[in-house]
Amino acid sequence: DAKTTQPNSMESNEEEPVHLPCNHSTISGTDYIHWYRQLPSQGPEYVIHGLTSNVNNRMASLAIAEDRKSSTLILHRATLRDAAVYYCIVLQGAQKLVFGQGTRLTINP
Amino acid sequence: DTGVSQDPRHKITKRGQNVTFRCDPISEHNRLYWYRQTLGQGPEFLTYFQNEAQLEKSRLLSDRFSAERPKGSFSTLEIQRTEQGDSAMYLCASRRRTGGSGANVLTFGAGSRLTVL
Repeated sequence: DAKTTQPNSMESNEEEPVHLPCNHSTISGTDYIHWYRQLPSQGPEYVIHGLTSNVNNRMASLAIAEDRKSSTLILHRATLRDAAVYYCIVLQGAQKLVFGQGTRLTINP
Repeated sequence: DTGVSQDPRHKITKRGQNVTFRCDPISEHNRLYWYRQTLGQGPEFLTYFQNEAQLEKSRLLSDRFSAERPKGSFSTLEIQRTEQGDSAMYLCASRRRTGGSGANVLTFGAGSRLTVL
């Protein structure tokens, strides 16, 4: 599976936008980029996924670089409930998700 | 959609005992996954089923671990002769049958936390 690199932790303030970066320089043309998050004491939760174009849903936006070697998860207006570990995963046509260590996001009130 | 259910949520056992975890996936989901997560780490893949067939097993799944999904519905994960290193959160996830890796959206349960004394 393609390796991803994320910062170990990030901090932001409530009601401000948050940009969570992910590098995936070994991604190939048919690999999808998935984001999951894990709130304290819960299982991971799907956030968003994309291939080439930027994607939006009710939870977040996914901005994918033109060369696809990096992507950014955007939370437009963070709330305290968005404090979680965010995982960026590149899926190489595999049948399973391979998680890294993710980014621990702290939201300050 | 009642979500993925796992039971028990917490299990404390003594080293050497056997433990079994159960996972009830979302009813129309044909794929079921087991992951293990230790403190501060991301979830690690253990195994997955498509209906009742176990299609892939990680090297992490030693011979003390066995998973079954007898009728393609619920699944069990048994750990025999538990060791302290087995202490972890065991997560189950399920996925609806769709085409393409892009649609590999998993729904996870809340997990079963195992503590081996």
